[in-house]
Order: sequence, then structure tokens, then C-alpha cells
Amino acid sequence: ETGVTQSPTHLIKTRGQQVTLRCSSQSGHNTVSWYQQALGQGPQFIFQYYREEENGRGNFPPRFSGLQFPNYSSELNVNALELDDSALYLCASRSPSTDTQYFGPGTRLTVL
Amino acid sequence: GQQLNQSPQSMFIQEGEDVSMNCTSSSIFNTWLWYKQDPGEGPVLLIALYKAGELTSNGRLTAQFGITRKDSFLNISASIPSDVGIYFCAGQLSGGGADGLTFGKGTHLIIQP
Repeated sequence: ETGVTQSPTHLIKTRGQQVTLRCSSQSGHNTVSWYQQALGQGPQFIFQYYREEENGRGNFPPRFSGLQFPNYSSELNVNALELDDSALYLCASRSPSTDTQYFGPGTRLTVL
Repeated sequence: GQQLNQSPQSMFIQEGEDVSMNCTSSSIFNTWLWYKQDPGEGPVLLIALYKAGELTSNGRLTAQFGITRKDSFLNISASIPSDVGIYFCAGQLSGGGADGLTFGKGTHLIIQP
């Protein structure tokens, strides 16, 4: 077990709606990243937060946004949901000593 | 987005056999990682490699960071049923950087009793 938790486990939304996913990082890990994993694919990097600021972003549009809180927990927000947003959303916290990323169990989002 | 070239895509083996999979990239990475993912779960870190040429073992698993920094392999010796799952390689460009991990598409390992 990595100590990274995510909620909810599963979520069903309709096209055009907005969604918020949550992540609690492992104790002592101040950097959190979010990834999108479509069925049959490897995870794709969305963005990273360090000390409550976004400091890195992959090839995702602005309707994907996030927050990090003082306790290092994080949220991923997706506006104007599209069918292709259906995926497993993974949160990873980074060890400051080894720089290695540890993943949570993910949130399965289905957009109808 | 960019993905690493991971092969084979799937492997059907007998219990007890050794397994070998590899990952290549057109870009240099400073860190290579190998993860295993079970259905409905997040990826679990198996081995992390930080230096070109590094060979690291974790029980029955052995992984190497290629000298060119553009490839890595993972070997599993004497496979057992719990080794079933999807194995992902991942590369990271810079230590402590904000670039995220770049993943392969995975190798699906299936073990026949």
C-alpha cells in the first residue's frame, strides 16, 4: 500500500457536466501529479503541483485544472466533460528523498 | 502524447518460466521506472533506476538502465501466478523536474498453469 488515497472510487457523469476528484498524498510528500489512463493505454501526465502551485503540465486543455492544499492534498477539476474524458484518473505523490512517484488506486470516471 | 515503445504487448507463458520485456525511447531519460498494475488498481512501483548502466534487483525481478539512457529492460525469473498483470515502463526527464512520467503502453503478462 502506497499511502496515497483517492475519492471517489467510481463516478458517472454526463457530457457537459463538471467533476472534481480528490487525492491525499503520502505523508511527507509535497508534490502531487495527476494522470489520465484510457483503457488499454499507459497513464498520460496531466499536471503537477508543488507547494500549492502548478509547476508542470502535459498536453491537456485548460478545462483540466487543479488545486493543492496546505496539507498537500489535491483536487483535479474537469469542466465541460466530453465522452473521451472517460478514463481512470490516477494521482501520484513524489518522494522528496528519492524523487520516485507512488500512485493511488485511481478514480474511474465514465462520461455518458 | 508521447509514449515509450514497450514490447512485447502481451506474453503467454507457463508457470516457472523466465520473462523478459523491454522499453525504448527516442528521447533520453534520467530515470527509468517499472510499475505493475492489477485490474482496478493503480500502478505499483517495482524498480527504480537512476543511473545509466545501473542493474538493480528486487527479489525475482531484475531491471537495467541502458547505457544510452534511451532504453531499459525488466526480467522476471521463475514466474508465479501472482506475477499476472500489466507491466509498465516509465521514463522521467529530469530529477525533481515538473515534466511528469512518460509511460509505455504496457506488457500484459498471462501465466498458464
